[in-house]
Amino acid sequence: GENVEQHPSTLSVQEGDSAVIKCTYSDSASNYFPWYKQELGKRPQLIIDIRSNVGEKKDQRIAVTLNKTAKHFSLHITETQPEDSAVYFCAGTDGGSNYKLTFGKGTLLTVNP
Amino acid sequence: KAGVTQTPRYLIKTRGQQVTLSCSPISGHRSVSWYQQTPGQGLQFLFEYFSETQRNKGNFPGRFSGRQFSNSRSEMNVSTLELGDSALYLCASSPSGGAFSEQYFGPGTRLTVT
Repeated sequence: GENVEQHPSTLSVQEGDSAVIKCTYSDSASNYFPWYKQELGKRPQLIIDIRSNVGEKKDQRIAVTLNKTAKHFSLHITETQPEDSAVYFCAGTDGGSNYKLTFGKGTLLTVNP
Repeated sequence: KAGVTQTPRYLIKTRGQQVTLSCSPISGHRSVSWYQQTPGQGLQFLFEYFSETQRNKGNFPGRFSGRQFSNSRSEMNVSTLELGDSALYLCASSPSGGAFSEQYFGPGTRLTVT
């Protein structure tokens, strides 16, 4: 089955700086990679996703890149703001099934004003 | 549209008991997935249902089971509770029956086993 590893586990940046979170996956057949943001005490919410036929996707200050050869994908947040502080989870589908998501263990991002 | 709802929101049980959690998906969504969230392990996949059929199952013992009803509402049951079952249980619904798409999470049920 799929194994997703996420780094770093914690990340602290100054407001206005960029933040990068990296994930690697094991299943070469995995084809969908979402990123979820979970604020303290709240439910996870999708912030961006990418499919295996695309190398990069951007939505305002957030971008995700995918390298299928190396089996890794990254979340980039530019011009960070205090409200970006949260736990971020990456995930990948199990290549043998499109109906199962395997999540990384999460990255606690703290944006200091 | 109303979001995904879960009941109860909080639950305290004693070791050895069983528990049933409920999830109501967004109207029109037919896929429901369940996850266990703990501080050390993050979000771990339990199982996924679509049209009352379990399509995939995670690596959890048989004490964890689930089902889905014809109106897409889903329940999960944990029998013979252990201390290690204390966690936030999240369900998520998705409209698709085919290729994966965005999952919408519920607020979760916080289960504490004493």
